[in-house]
Amino acid sequence: DSGVTQTPKHLITATGQRVTLRCSPRSGDLSVYWYQQSLDQGLQFLIQYYNGEERAKGNILERFSAQQFPDLHSELNLSSLELGDSALYFCASSSGGLNEKLFFGSGTQLSVL
Amino acid sequence: GESVGLHLPTLSVQEGDNSIINCAYSNSASDYFIWYKQESGKGPQFIIDIRSNMDKRQGQRVTVLLNKTVKHLSLQIAATQPGDSAVYFCAAQSRNSGYALNFGKGTSLLVTP
Repeated sequence: DSGVTQTPKHLITATGQRVTLRCSPRSGDLSVYWYQQSLDQGLQFLIQYYNGEERAKGNILERFSAQQFPDLHSELNLSSLELGDSALYFCASSSGGLNEKLFFGSGTQLSVL
Repeated sequence: GESVGLHLPTLSVQEGDNSIINCAYSNSASDYFIWYKQESGKGPQFIIDIRSNMDKRQGQRVTVLLNKTVKHLSLQIAATQPGDSAVYFCAAQSRNSGYALNFGKGTSLLVTP
């Protein structure tokens, strides 16, 4: 168990809908990262937060947004969902320094029908 | 941006043999590298990491080799066991691209009895 908690584990929704994925980092970690994993693209970095502030941005679509709350949990919001958004979404956490390994949660499997 | 890739999408080895999984990266400013293991239905799990001031690092049954000249790293698994069957990812981080880890697409390792 990595100590990173993600909910829900599975999510099935329809095109055009909006969903929220939730992540609780390991105790003591200040930084949260979101990754998208699809079959043909591997693990794609979406966005990173550190102590409530956005720190780094990857290939995140404008339809997607995230935030980190004062209690350090984070939410990833996906809107106007398309079939191609179906993927595994992982949250990871670290203390936020450079050259540190990330601890990953078990992921949320999103299926857009 | 950083491009990280694995040389082979799949690798099949016999139980007891040594496994070598290779990875190439594109950014010469990359200074931190990690190998992760992902089993079916789970999030990536940290195996071993190495900083750019090192050429080799050993863990329990695993060794990571880094060749900065050709921008290549490898993961060696000694006496491969059935429990080693998983997808293996390399990831790289560079100071000039922020704190995010950039992942390759993964090599699926299958250990046969």
